[in-house]
Amino acid sequence: DVKVTQSSRYLVKRTGEKVFLECVQDMDHENMFWYRQDPGLGLRLIYFSYDVKMKEKGDIPEGYSVSREKKERFSLILESASTNQTSMYLCATHTDTQYFGPGTRLTVL
Amino acid sequence: QKEVEQDPGPLSVPEGAIVSLNCTYSNSAFQYFMWYRQYSRKGPELLMYTYSSGNKEDGRFTAQVDKSSKYISLFIRDSQPSDSATYLCAMSAKGNYGQNFVFGPGTRLSVLP
Repeated sequence: DVKVTQSSRYLVKRTGEKVFLECVQDMDHENMFWYRQDPGLGLRLIYFSYDVKMKEKGDIPEGYSVSREKKERFSLILESASTNQTSMYLCATHTDTQYFGPGTRLTVL
Repeated sequence: QKEVEQDPGPLSVPEGAIVSLNCTYSNSAFQYFMWYRQYSRKGPELLMYTYSSGNKEDGRFTAQVDKSSKYISLFIRDSQPSDSATYLCAMSAKGNYGQNFVFGPGTRLSVLP
């Protein structure tokens, strides 16, 4: 079974803080993804990475950056958190289908 | 027109009913079709996965793909309260870095005991 883990299930941060969300997969998959999920808007792709140190912008990259220093680990960084970044963040990896982590519910106050 | 359309519901059915969930799409390049189940405050989990047209059955779940109509369905037989969740359809087409995935917004299903 593919296992995708995320560093935190719930996170509360203050406006302006730097936030790190970490994702680890155990299946040696090359592609990894970060989404955010909001009611009524569904899943929106923030960034994805197709190899170590390689990244591509998704549909909504503004306000986010990513880091992929090792194949199994993909980090999402909010340089200066804002209240409109309060959301559920989901990491995924894929072969023919996508496998998701449990999600991190981030609240920015 | 959105690439993938899915009725958000909510859909409420009595226990034991047959549930039909559907998505339509516009991109004829989609090759892989998936259904995910997402419980509240959890990540989506893969339920069914099909390649191209046809049917696939797994226990109480049946996935159908009709590429000519650009229409996919998920049927749940003998629905249970534990099936209450949001169901996301997803599809993918080959992109520059593997598959490009597109998700429907999800249909919220409640199965009432």
